Amino acid sequence: SAVISQKPSRDICQRGTSLTIQCQVDSQVTMMFWYRQQPGQSLTLIATANQGSEATYESGFVIDKFPISRPNLTFSTLTVSNMSPEDSSIYLCSALWAGLLSSYNEQFFGPGTRLTVL
Amino acid sequence: GQNIDQPTEMTATEGAIVQINCTYQTSGFNGLFWYQQHAGEAPTFLSYNVLDGLEEKGRFSSFLSRSKGYSYLLLKELQMKDSASYLCAVRDRYGGATNKLIFGTGTLLAVQP
Repeated sequence: SAVISQKPSRDICQRGTSLTIQCQVDSQVTMMFWYRQQPGQSLTLIATANQGSEATYESGFVIDKFPISRPNLTFSTLTVSNMSPEDSSIYLCSALWAGLLSSYNEQFFGPGTRLTVL
Repeated sequence: GQNIDQPTEMTATEGAIVQINCTYQTSGFNGLFWYQQHAGEAPTFLSYNVLDGLEEKGRFSSFLSRSKGYSYLLLKELQMKDSASYLCAVRDRYGGATNKLIFGTGTLLAVQP
């Protein structure tokens, strides 16, 4: 398995501000994703971070609210913009390695960023 | 639509065997994942099934039946540290613009002495 790190690990922010979360992977990966996990709930995919191009967003998530960058194969950022208390959640970076066999893949998660918006 | 169902909670006894079921209905399918998540931590990869049958990995085994849209995670010789949430996730498409995992709500397993 590879190591995925995220910064910051947690933050408390004021309403209306923005926070950028960084994700670093220790090896080149095929794909990177951003998930959100609200308290007591399972994971919801926000978007797929595409290297050198605009991210692919899931229904209910938009670029203006969650701008994402992926300048290379090992690094991505997610910004939570104009925050409100409803954005309080854990944000998780995930990375996918495609194996030599097309049917086999591994997908791992970073430690998460716990965001509280006051 | 996309739908993945798991029991919300389960309780089992230390040393016993527990089976956590997952049923799914997705537009596409290219693999089913099981993750373990302890409170306050990130999900940890447990298993991946893409073909029908049983995959065994130590105390954990995972089964898949694609025709039935069904999987289970089997935990043997339960230990207290196995108390966690277990997440079933389906990859709905391989290749192309997306390769996303759709998660179930998770099963909170409590292992009792």
